[in-house]
Amino acid sequence: DTGVSQDPRHKITKRGQNVTFRCDPISEHNRLYWYRQTLGQGPEFLTYFQNEAQLEKSRLLSDRFSAERPKGSFSTLEIQRTEQGDSAMYLCASSPQKERGPPLVTQYFGPGTRLLVL
Amino acid sequence: AQSVAQPEDQVNVAEGNPLTVKCTYSVSGNPYLFWYVQYPNRGLQFLLKYITGDNLVKGSYGFEAEFNKSQTSFHLKKPSALVSDSALYFCAVRDAWMDSSYKLIFGSGTRLLVRP
Repeated sequence: DTGVSQDPRHKITKRGQNVTFRCDPISEHNRLYWYRQTLGQGPEFLTYFQNEAQLEKSRLLSDRFSAERPKGSFSTLEIQRTEQGDSAMYLCASSPQKERGPPLVTQYFGPGTRLLVL
Repeated sequence: AQSVAQPEDQVNVAEGNPLTVKCTYSVSGNPYLFWYVQYPNRGLQFLLKYITGDNLVKGSYGFEAEFNKSQTSFHLKKPSALVSDSALYFCAVRDAWMDSSYKLIFGSGTRLLVRP
């Protein structure tokens, strides 16, 4: 059973450049989440997909950020015109569809992509 | 608004002693509560969750947590700490009534240091 995978694990870029991160969720998990974690803080929610539909976006997700999940499987997170304040760990998580009985609400996280903007 | 507080930035404990990492929460409805652990340069690893039922939940690696509704707390515990338990621990909450929102709200984390 493979877990959530993210690529790349590390990214160094110069201010103003665009970057794109990829997340592959656990197989058959239809929900996918993006979080951002800055140094010394807990993860903060960015956005959430159910299959290919983006159902919720945080106010943290400025116009420079865009996320897609075109076929309901992997997802990409793009940051345009990066700023030094974008430096953080970007975490992806997935969870299975709700079933009968107690809802399956556990989110399983990938290893993250650490972004450094110079 | 939903929130989570982890009042201790760091907890120090000797190996073999019991440990407690504190968490309090605020939600408008009933909570779903979680503990995750993060090792250096790694993602978050799920430890345990409270959804409903028994207030004492058991999780991975000998950890357990006690849900206390009146005190709005969900403290993480382990009877006997190991040096390998040293890591960053995060408490998280989701409001069960907000069925359309699946986002987790995380605390700021507590660093656990277990000395030999």
